[in-house]
Amino acid sequence: GAVVSQHPSRVICKSGTSVKIECRSLDFQATTMFWYRQFPKQSLMLMATSNEGSKATYEQGVEKDKFLINHASLTLSTLTVTSAHPEDSSFYICSAEGQGAGSPLHFGNGTRLTVT
Amino acid sequence: AQSVTQLDSQVPVFEEAPVELRCNYSSSVSVYLFWYVQYPNQGLQLLLKYLSGSTLVKGINGFEAEFNKSQTSFHLRKPSVHISDTAEYFCAVSVIGGGSNYKLTFGKGTLLTVNP
Repeated sequence: GAVVSQHPSRVICKSGTSVKIECRSLDFQATTMFWYRQFPKQSLMLMATSNEGSKATYEQGVEKDKFLINHASLTLSTLTVTSAHPEDSSFYICSAEGQGAGSPLHFGNGTRLTVT
Repeated sequence: AQSVTQLDSQVPVFEEAPVELRCNYSSSVSVYLFWYVQYPNQGLQLLLKYLSGSTLVKGINGFEAEFNKSQTSFHLRKPSVHISDTAEYFCAVSVIGGGSNYKLTFGKGTLLTVNP
């Protein structure tokens, strides 16, 4: 079945550095990808919606200069957390929607980011 | 704007017992409804969805849900649970005609714990 690969699954970085998270659709073309953030024991909060070849649409309260999203191809979207701080530590999850009406949504397995 | 309320943050049950996880939503426009399951440190897996048609929806792993428009509810049920059903369950909605079927608003989740 359709798979979304998210990499890395875990990353630890030092405060002030940047971290890139990749989200790939392995056997389908994803016109739209979504990025979520999940705090411990809480729900998923939509950060942004990205469409291939255009700028991402960020949700209210999400800093677009801090969370850089690139959707350069129909199979790859990246989220870069710039100048990370400990409060950015969280579980980040991507999802991808295929082309065509009725296409399902597939989630990646998430990335656990810890900023020290 | 739409919102999703999952009335129970935790539901403990014994193996082979029936379970119902409650979900209510609020929206000024018509919505699609979804239930997802999340195992620890993983992404989300779709259990079932309601887009149109029969209000009783059957999903994977023996789960079903019933859409009740008058009560704005979409409760998830399983007649007999297994230990392996222990996970976090999320109810979600998306606005019909909102550009993408999958710009999801999630509830806060219900932790289902199945005890032997």
